[in-house]
Amino acid sequence: GAVVSQHPSWVICKSGTSVKIECRSLDFQATTMFWYRQFPKQSLMLMATSNEGSKATYEQGVEKDKFLINHASLTLSTLTVTSAHPEDSSFYICSAYKGGGLSHSPLHFGNGTRLTVT
Amino acid sequence: KQEVTQIPAALSVPEGENLVLNCSFTDSAIYNLQWFRQDPGKGLTSLLLIQSSQREQTSGRLNASLDKSSGRSTLYIAASQPGDSATYLCAPSLEKLVFGTGTRLLVSP
Repeated sequence: GAVVSQHPSWVICKSGTSVKIECRSLDFQATTMFWYRQFPKQSLMLMATSNEGSKATYEQGVEKDKFLINHASLTLSTLTVTSAHPEDSSFYICSAYKGGGLSHSPLHFGNGTRLTVT
Repeated sequence: KQEVTQIPAALSVPEGENLVLNCSFTDSAIYNLQWFRQDPGKGLTSLLLIQSSQREQTSGRLNASLDKSSGRSTLYIAASQPGDSATYLCAPSLEKLVFGTGTRLLVSP
């Protein structure tokens, strides 16, 4: 069964509003979670690494003030798209390692959130 | 910077064929390499994880090999089925995963 849960699975919002996406590890603790973005027919691009109890690490070119990440507990990370614009419309996916960390464990993904900004 | 390329970009085959999907990466300093499948509009499902010290991993009809020194991995799918239709992604990993461009597979009945 699923080990990473993501909510909502899809959301439509108006331009200028903010949207929050939740990512939960279901039966394990995840000190680190990863947020990816995927545009149609393209591969996944890492946006940021979410660290429990500390600031997220953003990839080059990703605006940290626009994509707010909060990892307040060992099972929950949230991504908030602030002041969303149509160009932010994309498929956002979170992931986490279950087990011994990145060198030993597979990365488990949520089912993704389809964001459409009108 | 790690760059990952997958060939072919798309593949359409009749049911029952054995398939080979190729993945190449530029930086061989990796911990492991993962193969995933992605169904349309869905997240990713991990298929196989190969540690950098391993040469191959098998799960059911799937077999993945890794030649780290040459920066290559191959996913073999035996006796393909329509349910195998999906996009297959490879992702070598050091501190983070870098995803390939994917192979879109269509297996027709």
